[in-house]
Amino acid sequence: AQKITQTQPGMFVQEKEAVTLDCTYDTSDPSYGLFWYKQPSSGEMIFLIYQGSYDQQNATEGRYSLNFQKARKSANLVISASQLGDSAMYFCAMREGGGSNYKLTFGKGTLLTVNP
Amino acid sequence: GAVVSQHPSWVICKSGTSVKIECRSLDFQATTMFWYRQFPKQSLMLMATSNEGSKATYEQGVEKDKFLINHASLTLSTLTVTSAHPEDSSFYICSASRRQGRNQPQHFGDGTRLSIL
Repeated sequence: AQKITQTQPGMFVQEKEAVTLDCTYDTSDPSYGLFWYKQPSSGEMIFLIYQGSYDQQNATEGRYSLNFQKARKSANLVISASQLGDSAMYFCAMREGGGSNYKLTFGKGTLLTVNP
Repeated sequence: GAVVSQHPSWVICKSGTSVKIECRSLDFQATTMFWYRQFPKQSLMLMATSNEGSKATYEQGVEKDKFLINHASLTLSTLTVTSAHPEDSSFYICSASRRQGRNQPQHFGDGTRLSIL
């Protein structure tokens, strides 16, 4: 079974509107972290936001927020007030366990296109 | 600014050539670095975990003799694609965590696009 599932291969949003990118995960480990990365067409991976399994509050970073629903095992990324520069691939990733295990498992990604 | 530097950005070479890619942590020491491979329009697949001063840990299905990893210092890991063939053409990207801790993100280099003719 896939550990990270992103069911939206592509999404379109109008500039200045909000958009939600879906991510569900599968783990039996009580300790895990969830990350979102943005990959523009140039290729670099840009860290956006983190949510820990024990965090009580949903993470927020500027225009990015994470809708964390632990019981549903979902960690959706919400981008508010979309900008043209937000057009990119977005990857959800998970790190399981604690200690020195820093391996990330990535979902297949969602290609977001922001229309003017 | 960038915290992980990767070089070169592009490589085009003939089949049978060995290619070395460098990954440097710029202002921190990284005992662990990661190497990923990404095919067009696909996700990142972890190839191996590079450990400073010891052997790399390879993911299942990755040929360790094909993809040689050396992590000789706390700021540098190298990936050498030996006797590269067209099927090795891909986007290779490395990462490292600036600090230890569950909530610390991996920072990525800008990646290397490898094309084998």
